[in-house]
Amino acid sequence: AQSVTQLDSHVSVSEGTPVLLRCNYSSSYSPSLFWYVQHPNKGLQLLLKYTSAATLVKGINGFEAEFKKSETSFHLTKPSAHMSDAAEYFCVVSLEYGNKLVFGAGTILRVKS
Amino acid sequence: EAQVTQNPRYLITVTGKKLTVTCSQNMNHEYMSWYRQDPGLGLRQIYYSMNVEVTDKGDVPEGYKVSRKEKRNFPLILESPSPNQTSLYFCASSLQGRTDTQYFGPGTRLTVL
Repeated sequence: AQSVTQLDSHVSVSEGTPVLLRCNYSSSYSPSLFWYVQHPNKGLQLLLKYTSAATLVKGINGFEAEFKKSETSFHLTKPSAHMSDAAEYFCVVSLEYGNKLVFGAGTILRVKS
Repeated sequence: EAQVTQNPRYLITVTGKKLTVTCSQNMNHEYMSWYRQDPGLGLRQIYYSMNVEVTDKGDVPEGYKVSRKEKRNFPLILESPSPNQTSLYFCASSLQGRTDTQYFGPGTRLTVL
């Protein structure tokens, strides 16, 4: 079975400090992995995706994620948080069979001034 | 402007009264899908469609129907809504399938009394 676990439901950081949002997945094969962001009262927007190319993936707004097969992780990072980063973030894995996507439960990022 | 639109954005209804939530995309995408978002559960896929007249169940299809008669439209039908279908619903589309960037609509907040 394939699934995705976001290890923190809430993360709080101060503006200007690093952001780390953790995601672990379980998959029998090399998956495609995504991070999406949802700002309040908005739809979801793609931040970045991994599809078996470079293991370090750069996304929009200064975010990046590293695919680590040995740890089955795909953690999202940003060197310096901005107030506008406050949102909910979803780690997503695509299944090898069918045409489904599985979403993590989400991590709410709070940025303090 | 490339976009996915959903209507209505907000709906309050009563148990058993049939309703349809429309979804339309103007990007000529093959793949469309419906999700429901509930607190602590992330997004769960209801149905998806690979192309016109091709639809398949996601993880939580019970109580929902869909149709794909035209490439651009993918309506979600609740024949007999129940209170446990109170949720936030998102339609999404992508060029061909699960590994492509998903473009999400703005969401429909449904309350079933």
